[in-house]
Amino acid sequence: AQSVTQPDIHITVSEGASLELRCNYSYGATPYLFWYVQSPGQGLQLLLKYFSGDTLVQGIKGFEAEFKRSQSSFNLRKPSVHWSDAAEYFCAVGLNTPLVFGKGTRLSVIA
Amino acid sequence: DGGITQSPKYLFRKEGQNVTLSCEQNLNHDAMYWYRQDPGQGLRLIYYSQIVNDFQKGDIAEGYSVSREKKESFPLTVTSAQKNPTAFYLCATRTEASPLHFGNGTRLTVT
Repeated sequence: AQSVTQPDIHITVSEGASLELRCNYSYGATPYLFWYVQSPGQGLQLLLKYFSGDTLVQGIKGFEAEFKRSQSSFNLRKPSVHWSDAAEYFCAVGLNTPLVFGKGTRLSVIA
Repeated sequence: DGGITQSPKYLFRKEGQNVTLSCEQNLNHDAMYWYRQDPGQGLRLIYYSQIVNDFQKGDIAEGYSVSREKKESFPLTVTSAQKNPTAFYLCATRTEASPLHFGNGTRLTVT
């Protein structure tokens, strides 16, 4: 069965610190991989996607993610977090079937 | 300006009443989706449609119904059979081998 695990429910980081959000997936083949961000009461915005090719992908707002096939992981990183990055982050996987989402990681940013 | 419009943003209903949530898109995407979001649960798929006049059940279809009479529109009806209808509902669209695009959601409260 296809599944996505985001092990961290809630992470708190200081402004300016680095960030890594974890995502592990279970899928029959190498799927398309996505990270989305959601502000309270809003829809989801795409941060970045991996379809094929270079395993390090760059996204919007200074985020990047690395696909590691051997670990079935697609972790999201940012070198220096800004207060405006506080939000909920979702990892998703799929091919041409409906995407499967993780349960999300809520990011809090402190001064 | 292309996008997905969900209306209304907030909806209140009495228990036992059916209610229909609207989703309209002008992105010319073939596939449309309805997800339900509850705190700590991530996104769960209710129904999806890949072409007009065809739709499939997702993981939590019980108590919901949909129609797809036009490419642009995919309304979701929450029936009185849905045991816990209070939630945040997200509509999304997708074209082949692309990410999901999300609307801004409708928050439904049933009392």
